Amino acid sequence: AQSVSQHNHHVILSEAASLELGCNYSYGGTVNLFWYVQYPGQHLQLLLKYFSGDPLVKGIKGFEAEFIKSKFSFNLRKPSVQWSDTAEYFCAVTPRNTGFQKLVFGTGTRLLVSP
Amino acid sequence: EAGVTQFPSHSVIEKGQTVTLRCDPISGHDNLYWYRRVMGKEIKFLLHFVKESKQDESGMPNNRFLAERTGGTYSTLKVQPAELEDSGVYFCASSQERGGTQETQYFGPGTRLLVL
Repeated sequence: AQSVSQHNHHVILSEAASLELGCNYSYGGTVNLFWYVQYPGQHLQLLLKYFSGDPLVKGIKGFEAEFIKSKFSFNLRKPSVQWSDTAEYFCAVTPRNTGFQKLVFGTGTRLLVSP
Repeated sequence: EAGVTQFPSHSVIEKGQTVTLRCDPISGHDNLYWYRRVMGKEIKFLLHFVKESKQDESGMPNNRFLAERTGGTYSTLKVQPAELEDSGVYFCASSQERGGTQETQYFGPGTRLLVL
């Protein structure tokens, strides 16, 4: 069965610090990869996604993620975080071409950015 | 365009009672998913509808959970009778793409269920 690991459950940063959240998945085939974000009091929103092509994908609000196939990783990065980035971040994968489209999520990383 | 909506936003019930959650997907989206997040755990898949048909219900915990999508529009998820371990946040998501090659799921705000 597929699984997703997010290495950091809680991250605390000061504004302007750089961010990298780790995500590794276990699945031998081709996958689609996603990062979702849930801001306090809001619903899950898509931050960015990777289907194919350039392994460095850019999302909203200055976030980017890099797919490294050999490492089964899809780490999320932002060069300079803001207080408004305080949220919970979820990595998710779905296998392609299997007929089953369910998302498999990691446990989430809570990011707190102090002003 | 309206997003995925869910009702109610919160529900507090006693063990043994019945609760029905509703999800309205984005208009035109054939795929509808239910997920659940128990406190401290990951968001887990429950089931997937394509229009009114259940495509995958491998994540349904047990037969106390019943999901329907009559007419292929909104969906309901009924828990009967509810148990303490059913507490959590129930998310609904919808998507338009077929075939699963490049599908993006859009999530609703979730329903927080607390079983006492």
